[in-house]
This record gives sequence, structure tokens and C-alpha cells, in this order.
Amino acid sequence: QVQLVQSGAEVKKPGASVTISCKASGYTFTSYSIYWVRQAPGQGLEWMGIINPSGGTTSYAQKFQGRVTLTRDTSTTTVYMELSSLRSEDTALYYCARAIGLAADYWGQGTLVTVSS
Amino acid sequence: DIQLTQSPSFLSASVGDRVTISCRASQVISRSLAWYQLEPGKAPKLLIYAASTLQSGVPSRFGGSGSGTEFTLTISSLQPEDFATYYCQQLKNYPLTFGGGTKVEIK
Repeated sequence: QVQLVQSGAEVKKPGASVTISCKASGYTFTSYSIYWVRQAPGQGLEWMGIINPSGGTTSYAQKFQGRVTLTRDTSTTTVYMELSSLRSEDTALYYCARAIGLAADYWGQGTLVTVSS
Repeated sequence: DIQLTQSPSFLSASVGDRVTISCRASQVISRSLAWYQLEPGKAPKLLIYAASTLQSGVPSRFGGSGSGTEFTLTISSLQPEDFATYYCQQLKNYPLTFGGGTKVEIK
């Protein structure tokens, strides 16, 4: 069965970087793009960016340009999301999701990132 | 960026009610729209894509309609497990923006 398993919760100080992993299984890794969505406390869903695991091409929301980097490792079927220059507003639950025709049909369990001094 | 405006942002309904949620796009997106259900402590669940296609395993009481800039999610007979927050998402252009959400609560 399709599964996306994310790494565990993180606590970071302002200005630091965080990297979250998303390990995919149960399907052909290079056949579906993966994207990242976050939800800050009490807020809605926010799309961050997408990566095509086949060629590694990426697209990022303008809001996160320069701060977010998506990479993938095809040997371990894992996608990574690095967010740098963290600030308190980045405290959120971060999800990876598999894209089918750009709709997200499978989601990771979410990773809580807390940014606090 | 394409903006999506959902209405209402909150609604109170009873089990068995018919519920309708609207999503308006700031520009034409054809039928490139998805709907998700989000429950506390759970990952979002895809309900509908391509505006009206029901995702596998989703109960038939959920339905989607619309094209262009106006879209609707309908729950024909609200069940206890449907009390959640619903989001629309446009799939036309990057960034794949979401609406602000509609929280459905028990009356």
C-alpha cells in the first residue's frame, strides 16, 4: 500500500534551518511528484513547493523562494524539505503529499516544527 | 497567484442535513479543482478532483460541481464523521493555492 512516512518533530531556534524527510513506499517513486503543504496553528493549508522525483525538477511558492529547498534520493525513495532562516511564523505542521494530476491523494502523517528561542 | 475564496468559513448543521460549500477562484481555472477534508490530528483526505470526480473510497454523499471560477462541494446527508474542515485547492497553476477553509460543526 502507498505510504509516506515523515521524520519526527523538530524544535529549532530562530535563524536556524530544518530538514524534514518523507519516505515513500508502495508505488513507483519516480512516477509521481511530491509536494509540501503546511498548516500553522489555527490557520489554513499553505502550499510550499513540488518536486518531480524523476528528474528532480522543482517549483516553489514565491513566498518561500530562497528559503525552501526540495531534494530527493531515488535510491532510498525519500524526499527532503529544507527550510532555512526560520522564524516564529514557521511554527507549523508540515505535510508531504503525493500528487496525482496535481491533486494530493496520499499524505504523510505530518511533522510538527516549532520555532522558539 | 490564483486566490480561492471559500464560503461560508463556518457552518453549523445537523446530522442528515444537506450542506453546500462554495469556492470562488480569482481567475478561470476550468475544472482544475480539488476538495479535501481535514480532521484534527489527521492528514488531509482527498475527496474530489477535477471539480466533480469522486476519489476512490469516498462516500457517494459527497459531490462536487462547477467550472470556470465557481465551484461547489455538497454533502447530501451529513453524517457524524463529516464534521471537519473542508478546503478547496486549485490545480491550474503553481502555486497550488488553497481556499481559506470551511469548518462544519454540529448544531
